[in-house]
Amino acid sequence: GIQVEQSPPDLILQEGANSTLRCNFSDSVNNLQWFHQNPWGQLINLFYIPSGTKQNGRLSATTVATERYSLLYISSSQTTDSGVYFCAVEAYTNAGKSTFGDGTTLTVKP
Amino acid sequence: KAGVTQTPRYLIKTRGQQVTLSCSPISGHRSVSWYQQTPGQGLQFLFEYFSETQRNKGNFPGRFSGRQFSNSRSEMNVSTLELGDSALYLCASSLTTGGLGYEQYFGPGTRLTVT
Repeated sequence: GIQVEQSPPDLILQEGANSTLRCNFSDSVNNLQWFHQNPWGQLINLFYIPSGTKQNGRLSATTVATERYSLLYISSSQTTDSGVYFCAVEAYTNAGKSTFGDGTTLTVKP
Repeated sequence: KAGVTQTPRYLIKTRGQQVTLSCSPISGHRSVSWYQQTPGQGLQFLFEYFSETQRNKGNFPGRFSGRQFSNSRSEMNVSTLELGDSALYLCASSLTTGGLGYEQYFGPGTRLTVT
């Protein structure tokens, strides 16, 4: 099946810093989503981005499907950005099944 | 629009028992997927239902089963519980099944503890 690798696994930042999270996948995909999991376990949708670039406030994401990677940018980080960020992909050959990466744990210190 | 709801939120069961978890999707969504999240295995796909039909299944034993009703609500059942079944069970809903536009929205999860 498709492999999804996220890097870095852990990231510690000072408030106000910028960061880039990466998601590599091993096969062609129909869909790609970025999620933020809060401390209570809720997965919050950040971006639905099978290709191209999107921005939402301090967050933006880019997916280059032909090169099989996606990037999530967080600018001017805040302590509330702390948590685990997941990338999930739906492989072209396995529609209806999402495969998650292991996540990036972000800690933003005041 | 109300989000995805899951009940119960917390559950404690004993090894060997069975458990049923419930998920109500966002109004109008016809696809419901279930995932298991554990510290060791991460987020793993269990199965997906669309219009009352199981469309896709992950690599879990037959003790894990599910169903979807005509109103798109879904239940998953785990029989003969094992300690390793302790996990956060997440449900996600989507308008479509697979392909373009398959954007998933997650519920708050059910935290199952097996003792």
